[in-house]
Amino acid sequence: DSGVTQTPKHLITATGQRVTLRCSPRSGDLSVYWYQQSLDQGLQFLIQYYNGEERAKGNILERFSAQQFPDLHSELNLSSLELGDSALYFCASSVGPAGGPDEQYFGPGTRLTVT
Amino acid sequence: GENVEQHPSTLSVQEGDSAVIKCTYSDSASNYFPWYKQELGKRPQLIIDIRSNVGEKKDQRIAVTLNKTAKHFSLHITETQPEDSAVYFCAASKPSGGSYIPTFGRGTSLIVHP
Repeated sequence: DSGVTQTPKHLITATGQRVTLRCSPRSGDLSVYWYQQSLDQGLQFLIQYYNGEERAKGNILERFSAQQFPDLHSELNLSSLELGDSALYFCASSVGPAGGPDEQYFGPGTRLTVT
Repeated sequence: GENVEQHPSTLSVQEGDSAVIKCTYSDSASNYFPWYKQELGKRPQLIIDIRSNVGEKKDQRIAVTLNKTAKHFSLHITETQPEDSAVYFCAASKPSGGSYIPTFGRGTSLIVHP
């Protein structure tokens, strides 16, 4: 158990819908990262938040957005869902920028299926 | 942007054999190289990492080597065991606004036959 929690574990929804994925980082970690894992694209970085502010952005679609709340949990919002958005979405957390790379701890993931 | 190539995509070995997975990267600014193990249906877990000021790092049966000039790095697992069976991902990271964001390879499925 990494200490990172994600809900829900599984989500099945229809095209055009909107969903919200939730992540709680390890106690003491200020950074939250979101990743998408699919057979087509592999494991891809989406976005990072540090202490409530967006820190880095990767291959995140405009239909996707995220935020980190004062209690440091984060939510990833996916809207106008398409079949191709079906994937495993991971959240990871780390202590945060400290002048060097720090270990990221991954949550168990949310499996999203768009039908 | 960074591009990471990983080979082979599948590796099948007998228990006790060694396994080697190789990655190349394109951006010379990348200076941190973590390796992750992902068991079926589980989350990726960091197993070893190396920074660009080091050429080799070992942790028990696992070692990673880095050749900065050639922009390639490798994972070596000795005395493989069935529980080593998993998908292994390499990644290359460079600093960006104080953060290190990884670009992952496509993964290697390692199968260790008892």
